[in-house]
Amino acid sequence: EPEVTQTPSHQVTQMGQEVILRCVPISNHLYFYWYRQILGQKVEFLVSFYNNEISEKSEIFDDQFSVERPDGSNFTLKIRSTKLEDSAMYFCAASPSGNEKLFFGSGTQLSVL
Amino acid sequence: GDSVTQMEGPVTLSEEAFLTINCTYTATGYPSLFWYVQYPGEGLQLLLKATKADDKGSNKGFEATYRKETTSFHLEKGSVQVSDSAVYFCALEGSEKLVFGKGTKLTVNP
Repeated sequence: EPEVTQTPSHQVTQMGQEVILRCVPISNHLYFYWYRQILGQKVEFLVSFYNNEISEKSEIFDDQFSVERPDGSNFTLKIRSTKLEDSAMYFCAASPSGNEKLFFGSGTQLSVL
Repeated sequence: GDSVTQMEGPVTLSEEAFLTINCTYTATGYPSLFWYVQYPGEGLQLLLKATKADDKGSNKGFEATYRKETTSFHLEKGSVQVSDSAVYFCALEGSEKLVFGKGTKLTVNP
């Protein structure tokens, strides 16, 4: 089955630093998402992206966050100035047709020190 | 707003035991309901889904029935295997996004 690939699998950064989490979605998929899971808590929606623009974002997705699909293949999540509470597992997901079936990557574990 | 509540884990069972993982939801209308599974080191994978009341989703021996009257979508399997050890997530389809529960970790011992 096709895969969504995320890199890196683990990222450690200092508070205040910028991080970029990368995702390579499945090539014919049109809808892209970022979710995150803080340890012991629910998987939370961050943002959805369709047709090269954000289609919906959550309250978590403030001005410190941004997404890009710079070259038609990679889909990135940037956190401009990381905070301790940004420590979480970040999942990228892609879908050919919206919510009915999402394909998830294996996640990037972000640790902010 | 929309929300999903799953039974707290972890759950530890012996091989061939019966599994139930409870899931209830709060939503406006009748959203599609999903169970996702995450095996160690992998991403979340769709396990099964149901799109309307009384539908039963099934896959790999797992089943869940969409119960409108109890707003529930409990996951069941009659005889678990060691290879079923994973984290299971219940989810509903909200507007433009999925709404997940916390996940329930299942460990099956031989």
